Amino acid sequence: NAGVTQTPKFQVLKTGQSMTLQCAQDMNHEYMSWYRQDPGMGLRLIHYSVGAGITDQGEVPNGYNVSRSTTEDFPLRLLSAAPSQTSVYFCASTREGYNSPLHFGNGTRLTVT
Amino acid sequence: AQRVTQPEKLLSVFKGAPVELKCNYSYSGSPELFWYVQYSRQRLQLLLRHISRESIKGFTADLNKGETSFHLKKPFAQEEDSAMYYCALKKYGGSQGNLIFGKGTKLSVKP
Repeated sequence: NAGVTQTPKFQVLKTGQSMTLQCAQDMNHEYMSWYRQDPGMGLRLIHYSVGAGITDQGEVPNGYNVSRSTTEDFPLRLLSAAPSQTSVYFCASTREGYNSPLHFGNGTRLTVT
Repeated sequence: AQRVTQPEKLLSVFKGAPVELKCNYSYSGSPELFWYVQYSRQRLQLLLRHISRESIKGFTADLNKGETSFHLKKPFAQEEDSAMYYCALKKYGGSQGNLIFGKGTKLSVKP
């Protein structure tokens, strides 16, 4: 059982480049989300989705785009990378229901130069 | 405003000593609180949740509504407890997965 799978594990971009971080889960979870983790800032929610075709903004959505065409996949797109987007990105999923835990991926470490 | 505060960035203790990782929250109503842990080179995972009133790996956490706290405690720390710990609060009215995380406390248990 793979759980939540993120690719790539590492990525270096130049300012202005675009890219897509991939996230897939095989647990049939309705809810998926993206967080960024920065030193001294904890985890901050970027975007989330409560089901296929439904997405919404989190705390820090600017500069990122998401879509949810299937239950399994929730890619995060950086439209025009900026150094401020250097971070570790985590995808997470959960089953909608009381007290269900978030299942996290292994993370993608992104550096924007 | 809903907020989670973890006042300590780093907590260093010796093996066998008691551990308390502090977490305070700001929330109107009945909060749902969690502790997540990230061991070195592992993914973030749930440690425990207040509603379950459980003890996981010797850790417990009691919700104190009067002090708006959810401190994580363990009577005798082990070296394998060294990790990053995050306190999290379910956002009011949000989806089950919409959590507000504290900034985290790095626990270092020395031999």
